[in-house]
Amino acid sequence: NAGVTQTPKFQVLKTGQSMTLQCAQDMNHNSMYWYRQDPGMGLRLIYYSASEGTTDKGEVPNGYNVSRLNKREFSLRLESAAPSQTSVYFCASRPTADTQYFGPGTRLTVL
Amino acid sequence: GDSVTQMEGPVTLSEEAFLTINCTYTATGYPSLFWYVQYPGEGLQLLLKATKADDKGSNKGFEATYRKETTSFHLEKGSVQVSDSAVYFCALSSGYSTLTFGKGTMLLVSP
Repeated sequence: NAGVTQTPKFQVLKTGQSMTLQCAQDMNHNSMYWYRQDPGMGLRLIYYSASEGTTDKGEVPNGYNVSRLNKREFSLRLESAAPSQTSVYFCASRPTADTQYFGPGTRLTVL
Repeated sequence: GDSVTQMEGPVTLSEEAFLTINCTYTATGYPSLFWYVQYPGEGLQLLLKATKADDKGSNKGFEATYRKETTSFHLEKGSVQVSDSAVYFCALSSGYSTLTFGKGTMLLVSP
């Protein structure tokens, strides 16, 4: 039981490049989330998916898109990366109860 | 909207000292409250939680009591260890399947 996995662990992009961050969970959780973590800002919700087939915007969705591919997988796409998107990105999943379970994170640098 | 305020860090303590990290919240309804811990280079892990007023969450020697009258959920530990050095996040969930996080408090424990 791997929990929540994220790929890649590290990524460097140039401004304007695109990429997709992958997230998968093997706990059969309904809800999945993408956050970004910046110094002094805590975690801010980008998008979430309350169940397979649904997605909703969080606090900071601009510049991102998501896909809930199936119950296990929830990807985050940057279509045209900007330096302001340099951050650490965390994926999380949640069963029906309150607690969220987090992946190890992806450290993204946009030059 | 919902918000969480926690004390700014870093909090610097010697081993075996008493720890308090303050957390207060603003929310509609009756939220669930959480403390998450993030060790260097890792994702967030649930440390403890409380789902209703006067509940006490506890784990690994850490405790926090849900105080509705003061809208607080302060984290305490009687005797910290070097291995407790991490960033601690207070969070709430008010029933909309998302978490609202505080900005985090770094704890540094020296031998």
